[in-house]
Amino acid sequence: DIQMTQSPSTLSASVGDRVTITCRASQSISSWLAWFQQKPGKAPNLLIYQASSLESGVPSRFSGSGSGTEFTLTINSLQPDDFATYYCQQYSFYFTFGPGTKVDIK
Amino acid sequence: EVQLVESGGGLVQPGGSLRLSCAASGFTFGIYSMHWVRQAPGKGLEYVSSISGNAESTFYANSVKGRFTISRDNFKNTLYLQMGSLTTEDMAVYYCARERSYGGKGNFDYWGQGTLVTVSS
Repeated sequence: DIQMTQSPSTLSASVGDRVTITCRASQSISSWLAWFQQKPGKAPNLLIYQASSLESGVPSRFSGSGSGTEFTLTINSLQPDDFATYYCQQYSFYFTFGPGTKVDIK
Repeated sequence: EVQLVESGGGLVQPGGSLRLSCAASGFTFGIYSMHWVRQAPGKGLEYVSSISGNAESTFYANSVKGRFTISRDNFKNTLYLQMGSLTTEDMAVYYCARERSYGGKGNFDYWGQGTLVTVSS
């Protein structure tokens, strides 16, 4: 099984900050990685797929990078609507989610 | 508009069974693989099970293998999850999700709103 880790587990930031979340896979997954945003009581929302492709309708302040085993999600100029929990997911070999990163208000 | 609507959640005793449904609309259901993902209270997302568009292929996480059965009815545009031998570890919000294939692999582009399964005596 492919294991996913994320860091940090919690991130405190302010509106306007640039935020970076890291996701690591236990083995190479090429670029088969997605990022989701989830708000309390809501379903996850796809932000990024294939490591760096922005899903339609997602603001351009979100970007993804990486390949192999290390990936990042960057949010440029954090907005009030962005305070949420973010999950990475590998889909190279079946599916595994990372444990999540909660972005809260500093 | 793509819509996925789960139902069937509720309170069940340990050892009991429950069947979840996910009604799909707004897309050609039968050509998409579909999945179940769950989230225990206050916890992260856990992949549960998958089924191919023609139902010929299924897959289960080790945590549910032998206890859960995924199925679909492409005439009714509905996905199912039959859950048995339930324990408190199965208590979670269960989401169905659509897989969009791109470049030979699929990611989850649409999710339902979830249905809560509570396991308690």
